[in-house]
Amino acid sequence: ILNVEQSPQSLHVQEGDSTNFTCSFPSSNFYALHWYRWETAKSPEALFVMTLNGDEKKKGRISATLNTKEGYSYLYIKGSQPEDSATYLCAFVMDSNYQLIWGAGTKLIIKP
Amino acid sequence: GAVVSQHPSRVICKSGTSVKIECRSLDFQATTMFWYRQFPKQSLMLMATSNEGSKATYEQGVEKDKFLINHASLTLSTLTVTSAHPEDSSFYICSARLAGQVGNEQFFGPGTRLTVL
Repeated sequence: ILNVEQSPQSLHVQEGDSTNFTCSFPSSNFYALHWYRWETAKSPEALFVMTLNGDEKKKGRISATLNTKEGYSYLYIKGSQPEDSATYLCAFVMDSNYQLIWGAGTKLIIKP
Repeated sequence: GAVVSQHPSRVICKSGTSVKIECRSLDFQATTMFWYRQFPKQSLMLMATSNEGSKATYEQGVEKDKFLINHASLTLSTLTVTSAHPEDSSFYICSARLAGQVGNEQFFGPGTRLTVL
């Protein structure tokens, strides 16, 4: 059974502080990794699709890195804002069949 | 961006009744739609992959006679939970993939919270 782990499960961060969290996945086979942001009562929104070892992607204050050899990806948020409060999900793709295997998410709460 | 709607957003029903959930792609055509279920504090679990005009592909452990999926058009897929029981109470969410899209990005609906009494 393929396991995708996200840590921590939840995180409280002071507004203005930077933070990061982890997505761990099997390193034996890798095809792609997705990051999504899911705000309460809204649809999950795609943040990044990462495919190459060493990839680094950035969208505003949010960035992500990828290490396929050791099986992890980090998501970084710089200067957290209240609107960053959401659950951040990663999804691992093992091969071209493209089935997403999801982590349970990291719930981020930004304290004003 | 691509928008997916889901209806209803919340449903409470009695045990033994059937519940239909609709998933629509509003501004694009989706040859493939996915149905997921999420129990509290757990990962999204893929239930089935729905292809327009053909039978859905169910994941192991998902009863196809209990969770009926119909994808009759390029913009609509429905999930019917037949003879629902309390253990079917969960959050159901659909996603759609753009026809002919490179990159395999999925666009999600807002989800349906099902509570079976």
